[in-house]
Amino acid sequence: NAGVMQNPRHLVRRRGQEARLRCSPMKGHSHVYWYRQLPEEGLKFMVYLQKENIIDESGMPKERFSAEFPKEGPSILRIQQVVRGDSAAYFCASSPPTGSHEQYFGPGTRLTVT
Amino acid sequence: DQQVKQNSPSLSVQEGRISILNCDYTNSMFDYFLWYKKYPAEGPTFLISISSIKDKNEDGRFTVFLNKSAKHLSLHIVPSQPGDSAVYFCAASGAGNMLTFGGGTRLMVKP
Repeated sequence: NAGVMQNPRHLVRRRGQEARLRCSPMKGHSHVYWYRQLPEEGLKFMVYLQKENIIDESGMPKERFSAEFPKEGPSILRIQQVVRGDSAAYFCASSPPTGSHEQYFGPGTRLTVT
Repeated sequence: DQQVKQNSPSLSVQEGRISILNCDYTNSMFDYFLWYKKYPAEGPTFLISISSIKDKNEDGRFTVFLNKSAKHLSLHIVPSQPGDSAVYFCAASGAGNMLTFGGGTRLMVKP
């Protein structure tokens, strides 16, 4: 029973490049959440998606950031024209469709912008 | 505005003793609370949760207590083991499904 998968685990991008982070939820889970953790801080909510729908993107920066969860394939968090301040750990979580409050996290993607 | 706060950044406990991690929240709309454990370079692992209609939930060595009037919850680990050394995050959930996390407490259990 595979858990939440994220790839890549580490990603290095130069300023101005694009970063694409992928997340495959646990089997049977249809809700996906993205969180960001800056150094020495807690996790901050970014976006909540269900298949083909963005449910809540109130935590997402208005520019350069986008997320999708297509009918087929993983959820993608896309950061365009990265800046040094985007360097962080990005975690994906999933939960089942039954309204469970528990979210199960992947191992994260550590993005470093040079 | 920090809606969930963990005021102790670190805690050191002797093996076999009780570890008590605390968490305060300000938003009265939160109705579900969770504790996660996190090792370096890994994702948070769900430990235990509690609904706002309860004041205690127990699972093995872990017990979570909720005091709604004080907007305070705590996680008790007894007996503490060296493998419990990690960062512990308190999180709260309301109507929107998203989790609001505290800043974390680093627990060190000394052998």
